[in-house]
Amino acid sequence: GAGVSQSPSNKVTEKGKDVELRCDPISGHTALYWYRQSLGQGLEFLIYFQGNSAPDKSGLPSDRFSAERTGGSVSTLTIQRTQQEDSAVYLCASSLVAVSYNEQFFGPGTRLTVL
Amino acid sequence: AQSVTQPDIHITVSEGASLELRCNYSYGATPYLFWYVQSPGQGLQLLLKYFSGDTLVQGIKGFEAEFKRSQSSFNLRKPSVHWSDAAEYFCAVGANFGNEKLTFGTGTRLTIIP
Repeated sequence: GAGVSQSPSNKVTEKGKDVELRCDPISGHTALYWYRQSLGQGLEFLIYFQGNSAPDKSGLPSDRFSAERTGGSVSTLTIQRTQQEDSAVYLCASSLVAVSYNEQFFGPGTRLTVL
Repeated sequence: AQSVTQPDIHITVSEGASLELRCNYSYGATPYLFWYVQSPGQGLQLLLKYFSGDTLVQGIKGFEAEFKRSQSSFNLRKPSVHWSDAAEYFCAVGANFGNEKLTFGTGTRLTIIP
């Protein structure tokens, strides 16, 4: 079956612009996670969804970052007024249910470059 | 809150040699532990995981890891590496109650030389 897909694969934007990153999870997976991977920083947790609700938004670095999920499926991560420090690879993962012992299946990521 | 340390940023081994990647965690109870691999241009893939029971866990691609509570460690091992094992390896820890996110280490990049 299809894995987790993310679009776009690459995004180059100018400082101050807004960007939207999309994640399409594995069909039937109710949990969806967003991470940010910066060079040498490992994976930084941003937010996760169980269904359409987000119990844990603690990882969002500022109020310029927001995410939503509708219909229990596709999720969009929005970064407003992008800054150069937002440049990173944004990874999405999904799992059957949002419990920490479940395997997370990762997408290929969106590489964001802010000029 | 849980945390993970991978002390080795980069490791180089010869093809056919044995491998051990280190992972130390911090968590007040028995954690859930994972190793993921990220090959160039690909997403992360789960190698193995530990929940409870037998402390030696077998994974895919010939990898294994051993949970040592006394050392707060979960080191990844392989007896004989192949060139295709060159990748970045991430250790992750999950809490077993009330916190459903994973905390990842900063990764260890593995280079294989012929």
